Amino acid sequence: EIVLTQSPGTLSLSPGERATLSCRASQSVSSSYLAWYQQKPGQAPRLLIYGASSRATGIPDRFSGSGSGTDFTLTISRLEPEDFAVYYCQQYGSSSWTFGQGTKVEIK
Amino acid sequence: QITLKESGPTLVKPTQTLTLTCTFSGFSLSTSGVGVGWIRQPPGKALEWLALIYWNDDKRYSPSLKSRLTITKDTSKNQVVLTMTNMDPVDTATYYCAHMYYYDSLGAFDIWGQGTMVTVSS
Repeated sequence: EIVLTQSPGTLSLSPGERATLSCRASQSVSSSYLAWYQQKPGQAPRLLIYGASSRATGIPDRFSGSGSGTDFTLTISRLEPEDFAVYYCQQYGSSSWTFGQGTKVEIK
Repeated sequence: QITLKESGPTLVKPTQTLTLTCTFSGFSLSTSGVGVGWIRQPPGKALEWLALIYWNDDKRYSPSLKSRLTITKDTSKNQVVLTMTNMDPVDTATYYCAHMYYYDSLGAFDIWGQGTMVTVSS
């Protein structure tokens, strides 16, 4: 089973700043099968990025994904107040899905 | 518009079997490439994938929970049912069902239900 490790655990930033979140896999992941989600308290996760770099429907272009192999990145170019949340990466491979442990982006 | 909603007991006793139902609308589970998955989240913790059923009745389970899980679908009722046996307090979590369309989102879950909280306690 592929293990996803996200870093940092918590990111303290101010609105307008750039956020860079990392997701590292224990073995190579096909870029086609790497996704990112945003979750706010009391809400279900929302799909942001799929296929490592494709934005889901309705996702603002300040969110971008990149990476390949075992290293993937979610970048939020300029944090808006509504972007403070927990972010999860997820992979699909060998007929199994796994999630990372999450990165919390909090207001500094 | 795709929607999913989870239903089931809010409280189960240890060793009991949990049965959760996902009722959906806006898509058909007989359409090629469509799947419905179950994901859970213990309070304050990360997401954990449990199981998924495809349009062709192909089923996938989390390796660590496979012996306890069964996923089925009723296409005519637009429902997917997940059963989990031998419930334990560590299974206390919010359980989500979610839609996947492989040919679009490539294994990502693009629409989620609101989730249902299940507590395991005697």
